[in-house]
Amino acid sequence: EAQVTQNPRYLITVTGKKLTVTCSQNMNHEYMSWYRQDPGLGLRQIYYSMNVEVTDKGDVPEGYKVSRKEKRNFPLILESPSPNQTSLYFCASSLSMGARNTIYFGEGSWLTVV
Amino acid sequence: DAKTTQPPSMDCAEGRAANLPCNHSTISGNEYVYWYRQIHSQGPQYIIHGLKNNETNEMASLIITEDRKSSTLILPHATLRDTAVYYCIVRVSGNKLVFGAGTILRVKS
Repeated sequence: EAQVTQNPRYLITVTGKKLTVTCSQNMNHEYMSWYRQDPGLGLRQIYYSMNVEVTDKGDVPEGYKVSRKEKRNFPLILESPSPNQTSLYFCASSLSMGARNTIYFGEGSWLTVV
Repeated sequence: DAKTTQPPSMDCAEGRAANLPCNHSTISGNEYVYWYRQIHSQGPQYIIHGLKNNETNEMASLIITEDRKSSTLILPHATLRDTAVYYCIVRVSGNKLVFGAGTILRVKS
């Protein structure tokens, strides 16, 4: 089954403790991205990647890092999490950046930073 | 990206067709109309998309007006499980989707 898989789905962590949210897709997609969703602010893009070793900032990249060493994986790294990074995170992927290519989303990762 | 306008909420009786409107009066010729829905806080689920012509798939139909300034998503036989927030998005080639507030569809028995 074609899917975007995120882990963990739920995490409570403490301020400053580095964490990684993994994202994997099995559709051989070139394009992958991360969004966060907050009440009243909708979904906002954090980072995106057009292909292996090619990444760029989205609208809200501060406090996050990403890497794209393999086509299928696009982990989101919080080097020193802070409470304002408490959010619902979604990974997404698409065959390419063309407008006719559908973007598919993972099920989400709830992150709480205390 | 062109902006979209959707009603904040709609109700639909179970088994009836749900017709969700979207206005996108500033849409450009190369912008696609996409529909997604989000059930509770699950990942946005792709429903359908189109450029100029009407489209139909196993989930829904998309009707785009001839001038492309508005569209309607049709769920032909709504069920309780179709209760969700529905997002209409216009998208040009690029790296992201811009989600608005969407329409809360409540399907009632």
